[in-house]
Amino acid sequence: AQKVTQAQTEISVVEKEDVTLDCVYETRDTTYYLFWYKQPPSGELVFLIRRNSFDEQNEISGRYSWNFQKSTSSFNFTITASQVVDSAVYFCALSDWSRDDKIIFGKGTRLHILP
Amino acid sequence: GAGVSQSPSNKVTEKGKDVELRCDPISGHTALYWYRQSLGQGLEFLIYFQGNSAPDKSGLPSDRFSAERTGGSVSTLTIQRTQQEDSAVYLCASSLAVGAGARDEQYFGPGTRLTVT
Repeated sequence: AQKVTQAQTEISVVEKEDVTLDCVYETRDTTYYLFWYKQPPSGELVFLIRRNSFDEQNEISGRYSWNFQKSTSSFNFTITASQVVDSAVYFCALSDWSRDDKIIFGKGTRLHILP
Repeated sequence: GAGVSQSPSNKVTEKGKDVELRCDPISGHTALYWYRQSLGQGLEFLIYFQGNSAPDKSGLPSDRFSAERTGGSVSTLTIQRTQQEDSAVYLCASSLAVGAGARDEQYFGPGTRLTVT
C-alpha cells in the first residue's frame, strides 16, 4: 500500500535558522515519484520539486534542498536561512508508476517562521 | 497564462441540498484532478480525468459524489444531499499528463471552500 508520513505536524523556528521537514514513504513499486508542495496562507498549492526513484542525487535550489534516501524511504526537505515568507504548510507526496492517475499526500507540516 | 480557476470560491449550503463545484483547468492540460482538504485530514484524492474519462472513481467518498468533464476542459463536481461532513476545501488540479498521469507536475486552483450548515 502507498503511504506518506510527515511526522512533524507543526514546527516553529526563528528566522534565519535552518529547518528540516521529514517525509517517510511506503510503496511496493520500484518505480515511483516523490513530490513536495507548499501551501501558503493564501491556500493555493505550489509545486516545489519532483524526483523519480532512480535519481537519488540530492537537489539544491537556492535556500531549498532535498535529501532522497531510498535505504530509509525518506525524502526530507531542508530550508536554509529561513525567512518569514517560508511560513506555510508543506506537503510531501508519492505517485506510483503503476498508478499513474493519483498522488498520495502526507498530512502536511505547518511551518512557522518567527521574526 | 491563466492558471486553474475554480468557482465559487466559497459556498455555504444547507444540509440536504445539492451543490456543484466548477473547475477550469489550464488550457491544453489533458489531466484533471479533484481533491478534498478537510481540517486536519490533509489532501484526499477524489477522482482523476484523462480527457473526458475517469478511469478510477474509487476515491469518491460516497455515491452522493459525482464528477463529469465535458469537452476535455471544464469539470464539475456534484455533491447531492450534502452532509456536514462534506464541509471542506475542494481543490482542483490539472497537468499536461501526456502519457504520464500524476507524474506530471500538477497545477492547483485556489479551491472552493464548502460549508454545510
